[in-house]
Amino acid sequence: QVQLVESGGGVVQPGRSLRLSCAASGFSFSNYGMHWVRQAPGRGLEWVAVIPSDGSSNYYADSVKGRFTVSRDNSKNTLYLQMNGLRLEDTAVYYCAKELMRGALRLDIWGQGTMVTVSS
Amino acid sequence: QSVLTQPPSISAAPGQKVTISCSGSSSNIGNNYVSWYQQLPGTAPKLLIYDNTKRPSGIPDRFSGSKSGTSVTLAITGLQTGDEADYYCGTWDSSLSADVFGTGTKVTVL
Repeated sequence: QVQLVESGGGVVQPGRSLRLSCAASGFSFSNYGMHWVRQAPGRGLEWVAVIPSDGSSNYYADSVKGRFTVSRDNSKNTLYLQMNGLRLEDTAVYYCAKELMRGALRLDIWGQGTMVTVSS
Repeated sequence: QSVLTQPPSISAAPGQKVTISCSGSSSNIGNNYVSWYQQLPGTAPKLLIYDNTKRPSGIPDRFSGSKSGTSVTLAITGLQTGDEADYYCGTWDSSLSADVFGTGTKVTVL
């Protein structure tokens, strides 16, 4: 079945790095744009980044621009989020999500999320 | 703070109708399609509505969307206890060159 499974979350100190992965199955991964969305404890959804199917023209939220990098390996059906210079306010559940089609935040498949805790 | 504003909470009795507004501007809602998401407690969000009014397969027709100018509305008719959740609008913002979610609305079934 169509599935997204995130991994790589954990507890990390401020200023350190972490890489999240999202393994896709059940659909043609290389044909779809992919997003990262996060949710801090008790807070609303915050869009983080998008990468189109071919890996070009990535976009980022201002809050992570210059610190986070989204990438993908279509040969491995895997999406990544490299997070550098982590801050306390980056603590959140991170979801990966598949686009139904580009634009207008049409995200039809979501993973279960992976928790990232930034703490000293 | 999000550029898309929603009421923090709405409550109604079972069987009633609720409407959730999402207000934006010409750089987002006014010139782009909008999606709506339902997030049940402790779960990942689920796509309810896309392109302002379309429902993905499996979404009951109790959920409907509409758009007027720089605002969109999600309507839920025949409210059920299972509809207790947080609801978010979302779209692309051309001024930010970023996707954005609304502030979110918690729906409580009395």
